[in-house]
Amino acid sequence: EDKVVQSPLSLVVHEGDTVTLNCSYEVTNFRSLLWYKQEKKAPTFLFMLTSSGIEKKSGRLSSILDKKELFSILNITATQTGDSAVYLCAGNYNTDKLIFGTGTRLQVFP
Amino acid sequence: GAVVSQHPSRVICKSGTSVKIECRSLDFQATTMFWYRQFPKQSLMLMATSNEGSKATYEQGVEKDKFLINHASLTLSTLTVTSAHPEDSSFYICSASRGGSTDTQYFGPGTRLTVL
Repeated sequence: EDKVVQSPLSLVVHEGDTVTLNCSYEVTNFRSLLWYKQEKKAPTFLFMLTSSGIEKKSGRLSSILDKKELFSILNITATQTGDSAVYLCAGNYNTDKLIFGTGTRLQVFP
Repeated sequence: GAVVSQHPSRVICKSGTSVKIECRSLDFQATTMFWYRQFPKQSLMLMATSNEGSKATYEQGVEKDKFLINHASLTLSTLTVTSAHPEDSSFYICSASRGGSTDTQYFGPGTRLTVL
């Protein structure tokens, strides 16, 4: 059965800390792995990873995929209170379908 | 950009009524649209996939007669929750994709449905 597992389920840090969010997947016909940030409403797209070992960066956020180990991480450096959200990892399979993990709830306190 | 809108953002209805939710891609043509539901503190669960002009493909366990999906054009898909019951109360989110192997899904802001 296809699944995406994220860890930790929740994380509480202080501003300025660096965090690493983990995502492992078992997805048949895997095509890519995506990271989303979800605050109070719908998820907003962060990264799409298709190739192993190539880091994608956007400001303080970065992500990398390991297709051999079926694993991805999302790093956030110098966290800010605005980073508080649920971070979702999703595996893309078949045509455009996504299977989501349960998310990591990040809380950043001042 | 790739903007997806949903309407309404929030709806409260009585048990037994039907509710229609619209999903529009505002600045691109969406080959495929997806409908998800999300219960509190849970992840998004795919309900169905729809392609313009053809019948939607429903995920296992999703009743197609209860959740009617119409994808009438490349920019509009609708989800109708028929004879809604309190257990249908949830956050419904649509997403749209241009298609192609490298495109991602762009999510609408979601619709919170409360059935009394």
